[in-house]
Amino acid sequence: EPEVTQTPSHQVTQMGQEVILRCVPISNHLYFYWYRQILGQKVEFLVSFYNNEISEKSEIFDDQFSVERPDGSNFTLKIRSTKLEDSAMYFCASKSWGTTDGYTFGSGTRLTVV
Amino acid sequence: AQSVAQPEDQVNVAEGNPLTVKCTYSVSGNPYLFWYVQYPNRGLQFLLKYITGDNLVKGSYGFEAEFNKSQTSFHLKKPSALVSDSALYFCAVRDPGSSNTGKLIFGQGTTLQVKP
Repeated sequence: EPEVTQTPSHQVTQMGQEVILRCVPISNHLYFYWYRQILGQKVEFLVSFYNNEISEKSEIFDDQFSVERPDGSNFTLKIRSTKLEDSAMYFCASKSWGTTDGYTFGSGTRLTVV
Repeated sequence: AQSVAQPEDQVNVAEGNPLTVKCTYSVSGNPYLFWYVQYPNRGLQFLLKYITGDNLVKGSYGFEAEFNKSQTSFHLKKPSALVSDSALYFCAVRDPGSSNTGKLIFGQGTTLQVKP
């Protein structure tokens, strides 16, 4: 069964550093998403991406965040200057064209900012 | 505003007994509803979804969920729980206002603990 792949599975970074979280969505999917889950809390939407541009973003997704699909297969989330409160599990998801299709999630990247 | 509520932080059930994990939603249009399961240190795994049609939806691992429009609920059920079902369960609704790129709105999650 096709999978969404995320790397790395765990990243530790110092406050103020830039991090890039990587995702390889399912190859024929068209819609891409990033969500995050702070420890013990609900899964929160960050951003959706379609046709090489952001289609929607949440209040969390401020100027410190950016997304990119640099080569047609990878989908990245960059945090420019990490804060302690950015520590969370970040999930990538993708979806195909149909409105009734489900979303396939990756196994997540646990980001720890120290 | 659209929202999803899972009123129970934790559900405890004995192995072999039926289980129910509750979910209620609030959306302005027709909801697309989903259940996901998260095992420790793992990602979100799709269990089942309701889009339209039969109110009883069957999914993976013997789980099913019943859509009840009048009660705005989508409770997850299983007739006979297994210890291996112990995990964190999330209910989610697709925001009808987000058109085809629609984001998912998640509930806060319910930990299911199945004891032998």
